[in-house]
Amino acid sequence: EAQVTQNPRYLITVTGKKLTVTCSQNMNHEYMSWYRQDPGLGLRQIYYSMNVEVTDKGDVPEGYKVSRKEKRNFPLILESPSPNQTSLYFCASSLSLRDRARYEQYFGPGTRLTVT
Amino acid sequence: GDSVTQMEGPVTLSEEAFLTINCTYTATGYPSLFWYVQYPGEGLQLLLKATKADDKGSNKGFEATYRKETTSFHLEKGSVQVSDSAVYFCALYNNNDMRFGAGTRLTVKP
Repeated sequence: EAQVTQNPRYLITVTGKKLTVTCSQNMNHEYMSWYRQDPGLGLRQIYYSMNVEVTDKGDVPEGYKVSRKEKRNFPLILESPSPNQTSLYFCASSLSLRDRARYEQYFGPGTRLTVT
Repeated sequence: GDSVTQMEGPVTLSEEAFLTINCTYTATGYPSLFWYVQYPGEGLQLLLKATKADDKGSNKGFEATYRKETTSFHLEKGSVQVSDSAVYFCALYNNNDMRFGAGTRLTVKP
């Protein structure tokens, strides 16, 4: 089954304790991205990756890191989490950005992070 | 920059009522337009899309028409069901950039 998986689904942590949220897709997609969803703000892009070893900042990158060492994986790293990073996080992938007529993003199930 | 504005919710309807969720956009050039749906506890799923002016996207009884003259992509369904209760996001894709609206929560009561 074609899918995007994220782990963990739920995480409660304390300020300053490094954490990683994993994201994996099995569709051989080139493009992957991370979003955070906050009430009234919709989805805001944190980072994206056009392909292996190519990453770039989205709208709200502060406090986050990513890496793309393999095509299928795109982990999100919070080196020193703070309470304002409490949010619902989604990973998404798409085949490519080049074919706009066929463009579609596939989303993971989400990770609800609480930082106390 | 590009942006999407959709009507604020929540929207509460009775089963079989007519649904409209308004969406307008600001963008240069010719963006592609989407509606995504998020059911409770799940990620977003593509509901429908339109890639050029006057295109109509449709799926599961939902429809939306790409209106360039009014920069709109309103979502409609003639008869909603309880199972349509979800959050709906309007989005656009333009110049390698994806933008989402704030989302509209729909609750359908039996």
